[in-house]
Amino acid sequence: DAMVIQNPRYQVTQFGKPVTLSCSQTLNHNVMYWYQQKSSQAPKLLFHYYDKDFNNEADTPDNFQSRRPNTSFCFLDIRSPGLGDAAMYLCATSRAGGGGYGYTFGSGTRLTVV
Amino acid sequence: QKEVEQNSGPLSVPEGAIASLNCTYSDRGSQSFFWYRQYSGKSPELIMFIYSNGDKEDGRFTAQLNKASQYVSLLIRDSQPSDSATYLCAVNRESSASKIIFGSGTRLSIRP
Repeated sequence: DAMVIQNPRYQVTQFGKPVTLSCSQTLNHNVMYWYQQKSSQAPKLLFHYYDKDFNNEADTPDNFQSRRPNTSFCFLDIRSPGLGDAAMYLCATSRAGGGGYGYTFGSGTRLTVV
Repeated sequence: QKEVEQNSGPLSVPEGAIASLNCTYSDRGSQSFFWYRQYSGKSPELIMFIYSNGDKEDGRFTAQLNKASQYVSLLIRDSQPSDSATYLCAVNRESSASKIIFGSGTRLSIRP
């Protein structure tokens, strides 16, 4: 089945130690997104790629970076995780035309910072 | 003012009754409207979308949109315990067509 896959499901990292979360998709969607969701809060958009074009949200900290080496894969790098970065990280995809069609989400990665 | 506002709940509804979830949005340029269901610890799952004023029905779910009032709602008929989840309202703006903005969700609890 076509889908969005996030790895790992759970990630524990040390304070300040770089960590990378991955997302892959078999939907061949043009747009890939990374959202951060903390408990009882709305998912917050960090950035998205429209094909190779990177779009950063104005309030996304510099500590968060992303790479999209090809259509299928997208990575979220957290350069120096702080305790406040503990959250669920959601990868999503959509067809060209983007949000008007809604997203397909991966299962998420729960990040714990110790 | 938040761009998408929802009552956080919890909203408690007896099994078999109609659950009514509401959402308001601030940007009149919003074009597409979505309802996602999110179980605890899981990712959001799209259950309904609506683009035009009026009602849209899909099984037990009905989405209602009133653009003049900037209001969107979700009705769940014959509520089941499995409907207990957080329901996220989301909107897509014409000015940034690639992006969806989410509300913080309403927690729904269906009591047997």
